[in-house]
Amino acid sequence: SQQGEEDPQALSIQEGENATMNCSYKTSINNLQWYRQNSGRGLVHLILIRSNEREKHSGRLRVTLDTSKKSSSLLITASRAADTASYFCATDDQGGKLIFGQGTELSVKP
Amino acid sequence: EAQVTQNPRYLITVTGKKLTVTCSQNMNHEYMSWYRQDPGLGLRQIYYSMNVEVTDKGDVPEGYKVSRKEKRNFPLILESPSPNQTSLYFCASSSALGPYEQYFGPGTRLTVT
Repeated sequence: SQQGEEDPQALSIQEGENATMNCSYKTSINNLQWYRQNSGRGLVHLILIRSNEREKHSGRLRVTLDTSKKSSSLLITASRAADTASYFCATDDQGGKLIFGQGTELSVKP
Repeated sequence: EAQVTQNPRYLITVTGKKLTVTCSQNMNHEYMSWYRQDPGLGLRQIYYSMNVEVTDKGDVPEGYKVSRKEKRNFPLILESPSPNQTSLYFCASSSALGPYEQYFGPGTRLTVT
């Protein structure tokens, strides 16, 4: 399995600070995605970065991808209490399979 | 409203009693998939479907069946549920020809006693 690993498993910060989460994976990919999950609810897609891209932005989100190191990072800038959630990276096998990382639990304290 | 619906949302059943969890999407999406989420194990893909009548195994297909007879529906069938299938199940769909930018359903919490 090319399951991704995320780091840290849990992160606690103050509102206004930046949050950085990292994801590593094992094999070649087409794309890497980040999803957010509020407690026990369905996941919400945040951003997709293609294997030939190095960096992508969406609002307060910045994602980087280093295919040589098989790693990605998600940066949330100026975090808010509403950003409290679990964040997952997901990689495809160049087919229809999708492998999720274990997730990072982010807690943003007001 | 564009959405993925799952039914039931909660189910408690006994070992061996066949059950079906329905999944339906109203977005005309090609790709659909089932996942299970367990503490410490994250989300794992059970089955996926790239189109009608096309299904394939994910990482943990044992003990599950699926069918894709219509584009909008992708039911998950547990022929003989066992306690190790107690989990939170999610259905998801995507307009892309693959598992990208998926819309997730609200989840079905299944307990098998």
